[in-house]
Amino acid sequence: EIVLTQSPGTLSLSPGERATLSCRASQSVNSNYLAWYQQIPGQAPRLLIYGASSRATGIPDRFSGSGSGTDFTLTISRLEPEDFAVYHCQHYGSSPLLTFGGGTKVEIK
Amino acid sequence: DVQVVQSGAEVKKPGESLKISCKGSGYTFIGYWTAWVRQMPGRGLEWMGIIFPSDSNVRYRPSFEGQVTISADKSISTAYLQWSSLKASDTAMYYCARLGAEGGKEALDFWGQGTMVTVSS
Repeated sequence: EIVLTQSPGTLSLSPGERATLSCRASQSVNSNYLAWYQQIPGQAPRLLIYGASSRATGIPDRFSGSGSGTDFTLTISRLEPEDFAVYHCQHYGSSPLLTFGGGTKVEIK
Repeated sequence: DVQVVQSGAEVKKPGESLKISCKGSGYTFIGYWTAWVRQMPGRGLEWMGIIFPSDSNVRYRPSFEGQVTISADKSISTAYLQWSSLKASDTAMYYCARLGAEGGKEALDFWGQGTMVTVSS
C-alpha cells in the first residue's frame, strides 16, 4: 500500500514569501498520477496541479509542481492572502486506488 | 460548464439509513469515474470508493467495503453513497468528485460542494 507523507504539517509564512511543500511516497510512483489540491476552510478541495507539474485550468502561475519517483514538491512563488489554506497531495492508480497525504496547512505568520 | 452538485446536509440518528447524491452536468457523466471522499472533522481527505456510471463498475477502499454502497443512475447523471445503518463515527463531510484524465493524467478535477452528515442520538 502506498502511503503519502506531507511535510511540514504547518507552514507559517508572510504574504509575499515563497512556500515549499513536500509530498513523499512510501514507494516510487508514476508522476503522471500525482496531483495537488488546495482546500480553503469551509470549502471543497480544488485541483491545482496534475501529472506532478501541470497546472489545472485557471490556476495562477505562482503555483508550480515538480518531482518524480518518491519526492514531489508544490511551490507557491509569492504567497497571496487567498493562498493561506490546506494543501493535499494525492496519487491515483495503486493500492488503494486513490491515496491522499495528510495535508500541509499554510498559515499567516 | 462542468458542475457537480451534491444533496444537502443531513442529521440522522444511529441505526438509521441514508442515501446522499451527486449530480454531474455539463459533461458526459457516464464517461467519467465518480469518486467519493470522506473528511472527518478537522482531518484530512480519505478516498472511499469510485464508480464508472456507464456499467456501474464500483471499486471500494477495503476499509469501506461492506460499510457503504456506491451506485449510480445514469439516466439522471447521478451517483449515490448510502448507508444501511449509520454510526456516530460516520459523522463527516462527504465529497464527490469527477476523475478527469487530461492528457492521460488522472486527477479529481471537479468537486461537489460537499454533504455534511451528522449522526447523533
